[in-house]
Amino acid sequence: EAQVTQNPRYLITVTGKKLTVTCSQNMNHEYMSWYRQDPGLGLRQIYYSMNVEVTDKGDVPEGYKVSRKEKRNFPLILESPSPNQTSLYFCASSLSRTIGTQYFGPGTRLTVL
Amino acid sequence: GNSVTQMEGPVTLSEEAFLTINCTYTATGYPSLFWYVQYPGEGLQLLLKATKADDKGSNKGFEATYRKETTSFHLEKGSVQVSDSAVYFCALSPFTGANSKLTFGKGITLSVRP
Repeated sequence: EAQVTQNPRYLITVTGKKLTVTCSQNMNHEYMSWYRQDPGLGLRQIYYSMNVEVTDKGDVPEGYKVSRKEKRNFPLILESPSPNQTSLYFCASSLSRTIGTQYFGPGTRLTVL
Repeated sequence: GNSVTQMEGPVTLSEEAFLTINCTYTATGYPSLFWYVQYPGEGLQLLLKATKADDKGSNKGFEATYRKETTSFHLEKGSVQVSDSAVYFCALSPFTGANSKLTFGKGITLSVRP
């Protein structure tokens, strides 16, 4: 089944404790992206990647890192999480940067205490 | 920059009622337009899309027409069902450029009563 998977689905952590949210897609998509969803703000892009080893900032990159060592994986890293990063996070992928239909993972609900 | 504006919610309808959710956009060039739906506890799913002016996207009884003259992409359904209860997001993506970033509206929650 073609899909985007994320892990964990739920995470409660404390301020400053490094964490990684994994994202994997099995559709051989070139383009991958991370969004955060906050009430009243919709979804905002954090980082994106056009292909392996090519990543760039989205609208709200502060406090996040990403890497793209393999085509299928695009982990989101929070080196020192803070409470304002409490949010619902979605990973998405699409065939290429010029094809706008993006496929979303199920989401990761993160709470930073 | 690009932006998407959706009507304020939430919206509550009775089953079989007619649905319209307004969406307008601001963008340079010729973006592609999308409606995504998020069912409770799930990720976003593409509902329909349109890639050029006057295109009509349709799926599961929902329709939306890309109106460049009014910069709108309103979502309609003739007869809603309880199973349509979800959050609906209008979004756009630039036709070209380095980033296929989707710019989303704030979303609107639809509740359908039996």
